[in-house]
Amino acid sequence: DADVTQTPRNRITKTGKRIMLECSQTKGHDRMYWYRQDPGLGLQLIYYSFDVKDINKGEISDGYSVSRQAQAKFSLSLESAIPNQTALYFCATSGPPSYNEQFFGPGTRLTVL
Amino acid sequence: AQTVTQSQPEMSVQEAETVTLSCTYDTSENNYYLFWYKQPPSRQMILVIRQEAYKQQNATENRFSVNFQKAAKSFSLKISDSQLGDTAMYFCAFIPRDDKIIFGKGTRLHILP
Repeated sequence: DADVTQTPRNRITKTGKRIMLECSQTKGHDRMYWYRQDPGLGLQLIYYSFDVKDINKGEISDGYSVSRQAQAKFSLSLESAIPNQTALYFCATSGPPSYNEQFFGPGTRLTVL
Repeated sequence: AQTVTQSQPEMSVQEAETVTLSCTYDTSENNYYLFWYKQPPSRQMILVIRQEAYKQQNATENRFSVNFQKAAKSFSLKISDSQLGDTAMYFCAFIPRDDKIIFGKGTRLHILP
C-alpha cells in the first residue's frame, strides 16, 4: 500500500462549489505539505504543517484553507472554487531521520468549470 | 529571494545517449540540500538523487549523477545510457535551512527510440 494517499484522484467541479482534498500518510511523519502544480510553473507551496497544532501559509495560500485533523491527515479546502484553481495538487510528508526529503502522494487532478 | 532556475524547458535525446539537465539556484544559506525529482506521465513525483551542500563529493545513483558546483550555485543532472523509461518531467529542487522546498519550473525530457 502507498505510504501517502490522496483522495480523490480526479475531480471535476463547478465554480463556487466547496471542495475538500484529503491526504493520509502511514509513514509516521510529523510534517505535511500541500502543493499546486501548473504547467510550466513547477510546484508551488500552498500550506504546510510541522505538527498537529502548527499550520503555516505557503507562497499561494489565498483561496485555500487546511485542516490537520491528526498527525496522519491533512486536508485542503477550496471554499469557493474558481476556474484558475484548476491544477494538479500534491500532498507531501517529511519526518525523521531526514526532514530534508519529502515523500509525495499520487496527486489530485482538479478541474473547475 | 531564494530561487531555482532550470534553463531548458524541453530536451530530446536518442536512447542510450548521455544527457545533462541544468539547474542553478540562488541562496545566501551555506547549508542546504538539493534534489532532482522525476515526474513520469503517471504524474507521481519520484526522488532521483539528493546532494547535501556540505559534501563536496558529487552524488551518484546508478545511471544518474550530479555535477554540484557550490561556488557557482549549479546542480546539473547527468543521465547516462538513457532509456525510454527516463522520459519524464525533471524538477530541480532546493531546501534551505527552514525546510520549505523550492522547485524549479522543470525540464521535459524525451528519450527517442
